Amino acid sequence: SQQGEEDPQALSIQEGENATMNCSYKTSINNLQWYRQNSGRGLVHLILIRSNEREKHSGRLRVTLDTSKKSSSLLITASRAADTASYFCLFKAAGNKLTFGGGTRVLVKP
Amino acid sequence: ETGVTQSPTHLIKTRGQQVTLRCSSQSGHNTVSWYQQALGQGPQFIFQYYREEENGRGNFPPRFSGLQFPNYSSELNVNALELDDSALYLCASSSGLAGGTGELFFGEGSRLTVL
Repeated sequence: SQQGEEDPQALSIQEGENATMNCSYKTSINNLQWYRQNSGRGLVHLILIRSNEREKHSGRLRVTLDTSKKSSSLLITASRAADTASYFCLFKAAGNKLTFGGGTRVLVKP
Repeated sequence: ETGVTQSPTHLIKTRGQQVTLRCSSQSGHNTVSWYQQALGQGPQFIFQYYREEENGRGNFPPRFSGLQFPNYSSELNVNALELDDSALYLCASSSGLAGGTGELFFGEGSRLTVL
């Protein structure tokens, strides 16, 4: 499969709680990105972390990258019902292949 | 600034037919990539075009082909449609040298149903 691995596949939390999801990959990367998708629509870019960065913040989002373990995590703090969506990591694999993880479906209950 | 637009939004075809999907990239973007997303799955990379040349391809058979035009808009063509081709097809544009991994801007997709 071209896809990276993401876990968990699904996550259900209460509003106000934090949501953490992980992405693992197998190739060397220049950067890794996270995207959100609402109900089978187009994906929206959330954050990009470069291979020489270990952590990056954007609003309520925190992304980490561990190139030695070939893994990244996305943390959404103080979740809201509007954060309900699927979240995907994206990286470039060998042969210029843009590769998405399998996704984490997040449900935030009011 | 115009975003990425895809057409048609929905279409139904029968097995064996051919389909053409279209994508207008965001103004100033020279790279377009296409993805197939089956229900409940992550998008799968079909191919990418940079300045009218294909510069990356996923594990899709040759009946999936594409074009990028001088204005950087793009087409995805699928011949000899199969039932498993039913999916959401997403187009994304980006700017960069030789299709670097910069931020991707996605259209809303074309949902293809093959009967």
